[in-house]
Amino acid sequence: GAGVSQTPSNKVTEKGKYVELRCDPISGHTALYWYRQSLGQGPEFLIYFQGTGAADDSGLPNDRFFAVRPEGSVSTLKIQRTERGDSAVYLCASSPGTRGETQYFGPGTRLLVL
Amino acid sequence: RKEVEQDPGPFNVPEGATVAFNCTYSNSASQSFFWYRQDCRKEPKLLMSVYSSGNEDGRFTAQLNRASQYISLLIRDSKLSDSATYLCVFLGGGYNKLIFGAGTRLAVHP
Repeated sequence: GAGVSQTPSNKVTEKGKYVELRCDPISGHTALYWYRQSLGQGPEFLIYFQGTGAADDSGLPNDRFFAVRPEGSVSTLKIQRTERGDSAVYLCASSPGTRGETQYFGPGTRLLVL
Repeated sequence: RKEVEQDPGPFNVPEGATVAFNCTYSNSASQSFFWYRQDCRKEPKLLMSVYSSGNEDGRFTAQLNRASQYISLLIRDSKLSDSATYLCVFLGGGYNKLIFGAGTRLAVHP
């Protein structure tokens, strides 16, 4: 079956611009997660959705970052006024239940802010 | 102090060698632990869960020591295809978010 997909695979933008990153989870998975991975580091948790609602957004670094999942399936991570420090790989994962032990990751979106 | 600490490596070993990685964690309340594997420019993939009693999957053995708050991964008979970064992971607060270490890089050479 289809895994988690993310678009675009690569995104280059200029400092100050707005970007949207999309995640399509595995069909039927109720839980969706966003992580950010900087070079040489492990993924860092950003936000977790259970259905349509953000159950835990404690990892969002500041109010420039926002994510939505309006119909409980596809999610969009939105970054306003991008900064060079936002450059990273943004990973999305989904899992079938309420516990996050089995998370399936997408290939990620590589964001480069110039 | 970081929640998860790993030796970044790289560990350079010949084919057939046995190699072991350790990882320490700071949150004594952590309940679920994992090793993930990440190939260059790819997403992390679950290698194995780590149980208190220790568990084995083919050439891979994982151990958890709750008293000392560390987990380990042993790879026997290393293959070229084992070359990757190995991420130590535990399930964080609320049993939803994964907390990752920075990873240990393994390079297996002929």
